[in-house]
Amino acid sequence: SYELTQPLSVSVALGQTARITCGGNNIGSKNVHWYQQKPGQAPVLVIYRDSNRPSGIPERFSGSNSGNTATLTISRAQAGDEADYYCQVWDSSTLVVFGGGTKLTVL
Amino acid sequence: EVQLVESGGGLVKPGGSLRLSCAASGFTFSNYNMNWVRQAPGRGLEWVSSITSSSSSIYYADSVKGRFTISRDNAENSLYLQMNSLRVEDTAVYYCARDSTGGNWFDPWGQGTLVTVSS
Repeated sequence: SYELTQPLSVSVALGQTARITCGGNNIGSKNVHWYQQKPGQAPVLVIYRDSNRPSGIPERFSGSNSGNTATLTISRAQAGDEADYYCQVWDSSTLVVFGGGTKLTVL
Repeated sequence: EVQLVESGGGLVKPGGSLRLSCAASGFTFSNYNMNWVRQAPGRGLEWVSSITSSSSSIYYADSVKGRFTISRDNAENSLYLQMNSLRVEDTAVYYCARDSTGGNWFDPWGQGTLVTVSS
């Protein structure tokens, strides 16, 4: 079965750039999607197909995907960006796969 | 406004059954594949099941196969999850989520309904 690996936590200083990685075997050949989940709330899509932002998501959110690592980048981090972030792919054998999630702390 | 509203969660004993519902509004429900995703307390997201727009194809995670049944009623704009033989490890918030058109990402999600399996 296909697996996605995320760091448990990432910290970033206010106004700086946060990078959250999602590792998987040849993940660069797949479409990666990212979700933000704040405490007590449902997940919200922030990036789809590696690097596309849904309407309403700030330009500060961007994504990339190559080789064995996909990355969600949050520029000019704000206190309101504190949340759990999950990557997700579709795999032909495992179907829908989520990463374990990364807790982003803005210092 | 696109909206998904889950209901039907609650406390059930191990071995019991529960039926979750998801009411959809603000979009043409019959055009979209739909999904159930769950999240155990303090844990990450786990995909549970998917159903295509016409119910022609249905998929389950191994952890629920043979115990859970997904279904939909396009006339009623509703998605369902029948959960039988519930286990303690099925305790979670259950979200319904709309599938993208041909892209396998989920947007939007409902607010979730809590299922607690405990004796």
